[in-house]
This record gives sequence, structure tokens and C-alpha cells, in this order.
Amino acid sequence: AQSVTQPDIHITVSEGASLELRCNYSYGATPYLFWYVQSPGQGLQLLLKYFSGDTLVQGIKGFEAEFKRSQSSFNLRKPSVHWSDAAEYFCAVGDEAAGNKLTFGGGTRVLVKP
Amino acid sequence: DGGITQSPKYLFRKEGQNVTLSCEQNLNHDAMYWYRQDPGQGLRLIYYSQIVNDFQKGDIAEGYSVSREKKESFPLTVTSAQKNPTAFYLCASSTQVAYEQYFGPGTRLTVT
Repeated sequence: AQSVTQPDIHITVSEGASLELRCNYSYGATPYLFWYVQSPGQGLQLLLKYFSGDTLVQGIKGFEAEFKRSQSSFNLRKPSVHWSDAAEYFCAVGDEAAGNKLTFGGGTRVLVKP
Repeated sequence: DGGITQSPKYLFRKEGQNVTLSCEQNLNHDAMYWYRQDPGQGLRLIYYSQIVNDFQKGDIAEGYSVSREKKESFPLTVTSAQKNPTAFYLCASSTQVAYEQYFGPGTRLTVT
């Protein structure tokens, strides 16, 4: 069965420091990969996506992610965190066999210290 | 302005009552989805529909029902058979050929 793991439930980072959120997946086929962000009580906003091609993808709000097939990972990074980046982040994976369905990880909540 | 609307934002019901959550989109997307979100559990798929008048069960469909009579609308009914209905419900949509989903603002349902 397809699965997505976000090993870190909570991460605390100081404002201005770098951030890396981990995502590992278990999929048989070539996956489509996404990162979403959710502010408290809100819907999810798409940060970036990977379908094919360059394994380093750029997204909105200064985020980037790198697809590493050998490690089945799609980690999200930001060089310098702003207080407004405090939110919950979800990794999601889909593939052609699943049609339009996505499988979501459990999420990582990011706290930003001043 | 294109997007997905969910109403109401907060909903309160007594145990034993059915309740219907609204989801409307004007993105001209064919596919629509309903997710349930509980703290620490990420998003779990309840139902999805890839085309009008057709829908499939997701991972946790028991106690829920849906309809898809119009492309723009995908209402979710939480029935009295759902044992633990209090949760945050998210609606999403996507095109048939692109896989990214776009989400509405969510409805928080509280059943007491």
C-alpha cells in the first residue's frame, strides 16, 4: 500500500534560521509529489509540486524541495524562516495508478521563535 | 475570483442528527474530494468524484454520503451512523489531467 511519512511531528526554529522538513514515501510507480501548507483553521495551500524533470523544484514563499529517488524522499527547505512561516506542512504523493487521489503524510507543525 | 467555497465555517449539531456540508467550486474542475482532518492524523479521504453523477468511496466512507448532481457542487452529508463526527472537513478539487488539488477553507463540525 502507498504511504507517506513525515517523521517530525513538531519542529521549532528561530526566525532567520534555515528549515528542512522531511518526507518519505513508499510507492511502486513514479510518484507525483506535493507540499502543502496550512495555517490554523484554514484550508491547505499548495507550495510546490514535482512531476518530472529537474529534481530541485522551487515553490512559493521562498520554499524549495528536492526529489531523491534513491532515498524515496522529497524534503522541503527554506534558507531563512520568517515568523509568518509558522504553520502545519503536509507532504502528499500521487501516481497515475491512483488516478487523481493523493495520499497525505501526517503533517509537521512548525513553530518559529523570535 | 475562482476558488472553492465551503459553508458554513462552523457547524454545531446534536448527536443523532444528519448534517450536510456545502462545497462549491467555480474552477471548472472535474474532480472533487472530501477529506476529514483530526489532530495529528493528517488528511483522510472520505469520498471523491471524478465526474458528475459518479463518486467513489475513499478510506473512511462509513457514516458519510455524497452527491454530485452538478459539476460545481459536491455536498457531504454526515449521517447519524458516523460514530465520531466532530472534526474539520476539507473539500478540494482538481482537473482530470493535473494532480494537484485545490482546497476550500474548511468546515469545523462539532457534534454534542
